Amino acid sequence: EDQVTQSPEALRLQEGESSSLNCSYTVSGLRGLFWYRQDPGKGPEFLFTLYSAGEEKEKERLKATLTKKESFLHITAPKPEDSATYLCAVQADSSYKLIFGSGTRLLVRP
Amino acid sequence: DADVTQTPRNRITKTGKRIMLECSQTKGHDRMYWYRQDPGLGLRLIYYSFDVKDINKGEISDGYSVSRQAQAKFSLSLESAIPNQTALYFCATSDWDLNGYTFGSGTRLTVV
Repeated sequence: EDQVTQSPEALRLQEGESSSLNCSYTVSGLRGLFWYRQDPGKGPEFLFTLYSAGEEKEKERLKATLTKKESFLHITAPKPEDSATYLCAVQADSSYKLIFGSGTRLLVRP
Repeated sequence: DADVTQTPRNRITKTGKRIMLECSQTKGHDRMYWYRQDPGLGLRLIYYSFDVKDINKGEISDGYSVSRQAQAKFSLSLESAIPNQTALYFCATSDWDLNGYTFGSGTRLTVV
Protein backbone atom coordinates (compact mmCIF):
# COMPACT_ATOMS: atom_id res chain seq x y z
CA GLU A 1 0.00 0.00 0.00
CA ASP A 2 1.32 3.45 -0.93
CA GLN A 3 2.10 5.44 2.19
CA VAL A 4 3.71 8.72 3.28
CA THR A 5 4.98 9.44 6.81
CA GLN A 6 6.25 12.84 7.86
CA SER A 7 8.38 13.62 10.91
CA PRO A 8 8.46 15.33 13.25
CA GLU A 9 4.79 16.25 13.68
CA ALA A 10 5.82 19.62 15.06
CA LEU A 11 9.10 21.53 15.18
CA ARG A 12 10.01 24.70 17.01
CA LEU A 13 13.09 26.62 15.91
CA GLN A 14 14.71 29.86 16.84
CA GLU A 15 15.18 32.30 14.02
CA GLY A 16 18.40 31.37 12.22
CA GLU A 17 18.45 27.80 13.54
CA SER A 18 18.67 25.49 10.52
CA SER A 19 16.95 22.11 10.51
CA SER A 20 15.37 19.44 8.29
CA LEU A 21 11.93 17.92 7.88
CA ASN A 22 11.60 14.29 6.85
CA CYS A 23 9.18 12.57 4.46
CA SER A 24 9.43 8.78 4.26
CA TYR A 25 7.45 7.06 1.54
CA THR A 26 6.48 3.64 0.30
CA VAL A 27 5.22 3.51 -3.25
CA SER A 28 5.20 0.87 -5.95
CA GLY A 29 6.98 3.13 -8.41
CA LEU A 30 7.57 6.82 -7.85
CA ARG A 31 6.26 9.18 -10.49
CA GLY A 32 6.86 12.29 -8.41
CA LEU A 33 7.27 13.59 -4.86
CA PHE A 34 5.78 16.96 -3.98
CA TRP A 35 6.29 19.49 -1.21
CA TYR A 36 3.60 22.01 -0.27
CA ARG A 37 3.40 24.77 2.32
CA GLN A 38 0.11 25.46 4.11
CA ASP A 39 -0.60 28.56 6.18
CA PRO A 40 -3.47 28.61 8.70
CA GLY A 41 -6.82 29.18 7.03
CA LYS A 42 -5.41 28.70 3.55
CA GLY A 43 -4.99 25.96 1.00
CA PRO A 44 -1.65 24.25 0.38
CA GLU A 45 0.78 26.14 -1.83
CA PHE A 46 2.97 24.14 -4.21
CA LEU A 47 6.73 24.34 -3.58
CA PHE A 48 8.60 21.58 -5.45
CA THR A 49 8.32 18.41 -7.51
CA LEU A 50 11.14 15.87 -7.31
CA TYR A 51 11.28 13.03 -9.79
CA SER A 52 14.26 10.79 -9.10
CA ALA A 53 16.74 9.88 -6.39
CA GLY A 54 19.59 12.35 -6.10
CA GLU A 55 17.57 15.30 -7.34
CA GLU A 56 17.62 18.57 -5.39
CA LYS A 57 15.57 21.77 -5.72
CA GLU A 58 15.92 25.10 -3.96
CA LYS A 59 13.72 28.08 -3.28
CA GLU A 60 14.96 30.87 -1.03
CA ARG A 61 15.79 29.24 2.34
CA LEU A 62 14.29 25.87 1.37
CA LYS A 63 16.06 22.95 -0.28
CA ALA A 64 14.37 19.64 -1.03
CA THR A 65 16.29 16.43 -1.63
CA LEU A 66 15.18 12.95 -2.63
CA THR A 67 16.44 9.41 -2.06
CA LYS A 68 14.78 6.12 -2.96
CA LYS A 69 12.97 5.97 0.39
CA GLU A 70 12.68 9.52 1.70
CA SER A 71 12.83 13.21 1.05
CA PHE A 72 14.18 15.99 3.21
CA LEU A 73 13.16 19.61 3.29
CA HIS A 74 16.13 21.56 4.61
CA ILE A 75 15.44 25.00 6.04
CA THR A 76 18.50 27.21 6.28
CA ALA A 77 18.52 30.17 8.67
CA PRO A 78 14.72 30.23 8.97
CA LYS A 79 12.72 33.37 9.62
CA PRO A 80 9.39 33.71 11.46
CA GLU A 81 7.59 34.00 8.12
CA ASP A 82 8.67 30.41 7.35
CA SER A 83 6.27 29.24 10.08
CA ALA A 84 3.66 27.00 8.42
CA THR A 85 2.69 23.38 7.97
CA TYR A 86 4.77 21.61 5.34
CA LEU A 87 3.09 18.78 3.47
CA CYS A 88 4.71 16.00 1.47
CA ALA A 89 2.87 13.95 -1.16
CA VAL A 90 3.77 11.18 -3.59
CA GLN A 91 2.32 9.98 -6.84
CA ALA A 92 2.83 6.42 -7.97
CA ASP A 93 3.50 5.41 -11.56
CA SER A 94 0.27 3.40 -11.57
CA SER A 95 -2.01 6.17 -10.26
CA TYR A 96 -3.13 9.69 -10.99
CA LYS A 97 -3.76 10.56 -7.36
CA LEU A 98 -1.51 12.11 -4.73
CA ILE A 99 -0.99 10.44 -1.36
CA PHE A 100 -0.38 13.11 1.27
CA GLY A 101 1.43 12.86 4.58
CA SER A 102 -0.12 14.48 7.65
CA GLY A 103 2.43 17.30 7.65
CA THR A 104 5.01 18.94 9.89
CA ARG A 105 3.97 22.10 11.76
CA LEU A 106 6.95 24.44 11.85
CA LEU A 107 7.12 27.38 14.24
CA VAL A 108 10.05 29.78 13.96
CA ARG A 109 10.40 32.12 16.92
CA PRO A 110 12.11 35.51 16.62
CA ASP B 1 -9.30 37.46 -7.88
CA ALA B 2 -8.05 34.10 -6.60
CA ASP B 3 -7.13 31.41 -9.15
CA VAL B 4 -9.38 28.90 -7.35
CA THR B 5 -12.43 30.19 -5.51
CA GLN B 6 -14.43 28.10 -3.08
CA THR B 7 -17.82 29.00 -1.64
CA PRO B 8 -18.90 29.13 1.07
CA ARG B 9 -15.80 29.64 3.27
CA ASN B 10 -17.60 28.40 6.36
CA ARG B 11 -20.82 26.46 6.78
CA ILE B 12 -22.68 24.91 9.66
CA THR B 13 -25.41 22.47 8.72
CA LYS B 14 -27.62 19.94 10.45
CA THR B 15 -27.43 16.18 10.19
CA GLY B 16 -29.46 14.89 7.25
CA LYS B 17 -29.37 18.11 5.24
CA ARG B 18 -28.13 18.25 1.66
CA ILE B 19 -25.31 20.71 1.09
CA MET B 20 -23.32 21.79 -1.95
CA LEU B 21 -19.81 23.19 -1.95
CA GLU B 22 -18.81 25.10 -5.04
CA CYS B 23 -15.47 25.61 -6.75
CA SER B 24 -14.51 27.70 -9.74
CA GLN B 25 -11.10 28.28 -11.31
CA THR B 26 -9.60 30.79 -13.68
CA LYS B 27 -6.41 28.82 -14.48
CA GLY B 28 -7.90 27.24 -17.60
CA HIS B 29 -6.90 23.79 -16.34
CA ASP B 30 -8.78 20.63 -17.31
CA ARG B 31 -8.09 18.70 -14.11
CA MET B 32 -10.00 19.42 -10.91
CA TYR B 33 -10.03 17.67 -7.53
CA TRP B 34 -11.90 17.63 -4.22
CA TYR B 35 -10.00 16.80 -1.03
CA ARG B 36 -10.93 16.75 2.62
CA GLN B 37 -8.48 17.52 5.41
CA ASP B 38 -8.82 16.18 8.94
CA PRO B 39 -6.35 16.79 11.78
CA GLY B 40 -3.68 14.09 11.83
CA LEU B 41 -4.97 12.42 8.66
CA GLY B 42 -3.66 14.66 5.95
CA LEU B 43 -5.49 15.39 2.74
CA ARG B 44 -7.62 12.62 1.26
CA LEU B 45 -9.03 12.55 -2.27
CA ILE B 46 -12.82 12.47 -2.60
CA TYR B 47 -13.36 12.87 -6.37
CA TYR B 48 -11.38 14.01 -9.38
CA SER B 49 -12.20 15.05 -12.92
CA PHE B 50 -9.86 15.25 -15.89
CA ASP B 51 -12.42 16.97 -18.13
CA VAL B 52 -16.12 17.80 -18.19
CA LYS B 53 -17.12 14.27 -19.20
CA ASP B 54 -14.66 12.44 -16.96
CA ILE B 55 -15.51 11.98 -13.25
CA ASN B 56 -13.70 9.53 -11.00
CA LYS B 57 -14.04 8.40 -7.41
CA GLY B 58 -11.20 8.96 -5.02
CA GLU B 59 -10.37 7.04 -1.87
CA ILE B 60 -13.27 8.34 0.27
CA SER B 61 -16.20 9.00 -2.10
CA ASP B 62 -18.97 7.34 -0.06
CA GLY B 63 -21.58 9.90 1.01
CA TYR B 64 -20.43 12.45 -1.58
CA SER B 65 -21.28 13.26 -5.19
CA VAL B 66 -19.87 15.75 -7.68
CA SER B 67 -20.90 17.69 -10.74
CA ARG B 68 -18.55 19.18 -13.36
CA GLN B 69 -20.72 21.91 -14.84
CA ALA B 70 -18.02 23.39 -17.04
CA GLN B 71 -14.25 23.30 -17.40
CA ALA B 72 -14.03 25.95 -14.71
CA LYS B 73 -16.64 24.66 -12.25
CA PHE B 74 -16.66 21.57 -10.05
CA SER B 75 -19.17 21.15 -7.23
CA LEU B 76 -19.20 18.72 -4.33
CA SER B 77 -22.46 17.62 -2.70
CA LEU B 78 -23.18 15.89 0.54
CA GLU B 79 -26.53 14.21 -0.05
CA SER B 80 -27.35 13.68 3.64
CA ALA B 81 -24.74 15.25 5.88
CA ILE B 82 -23.49 13.37 8.93
CA PRO B 83 -21.27 14.64 11.79
CA ASN B 84 -18.17 12.69 10.68
CA GLN B 85 -18.19 14.74 7.48
CA THR B 86 -17.15 17.71 9.58
CA ALA B 87 -13.84 18.71 8.00
CA LEU B 88 -11.97 21.23 5.91
CA TYR B 89 -12.69 20.75 2.20
CA PHE B 90 -10.34 21.84 -0.56
CA CYS B 91 -10.78 22.12 -4.28
CA ALA B 92 -7.67 22.01 -6.47
CA THR B 93 -6.77 22.23 -10.13
CA SER B 94 -3.83 21.24 -12.29
CA ASP B 95 -2.83 21.21 -15.94
CA TRP B 96 -0.51 18.24 -15.62
CA ASP B 97 -0.01 15.90 -12.72
CA LEU B 98 3.66 16.73 -12.13
CA ASN B 99 3.25 20.52 -12.16
CA GLY B 100 1.70 20.69 -8.72
CA TYR B 101 -1.83 21.60 -7.81
CA THR B 102 -3.34 25.02 -7.18
CA PHE B 103 -5.63 24.83 -4.17
CA GLY B 104 -8.50 27.04 -3.12
CA SER B 105 -8.70 28.51 0.36
CA GLY B 106 -11.03 25.81 1.59
CA THR B 107 -14.51 25.42 3.04
CA ARG B 108 -14.78 24.68 6.74
CA LEU B 109 -17.88 22.48 7.12
CA THR B 110 -19.42 21.61 10.46
CA VAL B 111 -22.26 19.09 10.65
CA VAL B 112 -24.19 19.23 13.92
